[in-house]
Amino acid sequence: QKEVEQDPGPLSVPEGAIVSLNCTYSNSAFQYFMWYRQYSRKGPELLMYTYSSGNKEDGRFTAQVDKSSKYISLFIRDSQPSDSATYLCASQGAQKLVFGQGTRLTINP
Amino acid sequence: NAGVTQTPKFHILKIGQSMTLQCTQDMNHNYMYWYRQDPGMGLKLIYYSVGAGITDKGEVPNGYNVSRSTTEDFPLRLELAAPSQTSVYFCASSYSTAAEKLFFGSGTQLSVL
Repeated sequence: QKEVEQDPGPLSVPEGAIVSLNCTYSNSAFQYFMWYRQYSRKGPELLMYTYSSGNKEDGRFTAQVDKSSKYISLFIRDSQPSDSATYLCASQGAQKLVFGQGTRLTINP
Repeated sequence: NAGVTQTPKFHILKIGQSMTLQCTQDMNHNYMYWYRQDPGMGLKLIYYSVGAGITDKGEVPNGYNVSRSTTEDFPLRLELAAPSQTSVYFCASSYSTAAEKLFFGSGTQLSVL
């Protein structure tokens, strides 16, 4: 079983839609959870960072962690074509991050 | 600051050849990492280093070697290249543990033919 599982998609939605991206993880010791955004032919960039359970909001983006169900979510409100990218969830293992497979998201104008 | 710089950006290697992917960072970060990214497979950790002179294996170290003689540089060596090593390679760095933000380079696209 992979430590972090993510549906690779692809996911295609119309501009303005609410997007929900999800991951599950298996290690109950994970405390730090992150979302990285990766544009085509670029390196990933940190988008959201959450410690333990709860919600964190930054503009149109909301990260949610439910440790009881080992579920990680990223919500994008009022999605824009510029949000088209691959989104990778990640959780901290022993001194290193474990990444999900990444979900390729396309926002259609 | 340039951040994390990787060279080359693209390379084609013949089976059995060797090469070194270069990575340097100018942020004085202690931690450095090498990942490979295959289509639909996310990022897999190859090797990492917590400081100069200290390296450790990640998830997929076979066929690779690293060294960390300075804080700035973390080269990745491919020995006897195989088609299975065709991938996009990313170098990353962080100030301390993985709980810190990772800064990634722009990647090296490597094809082994």
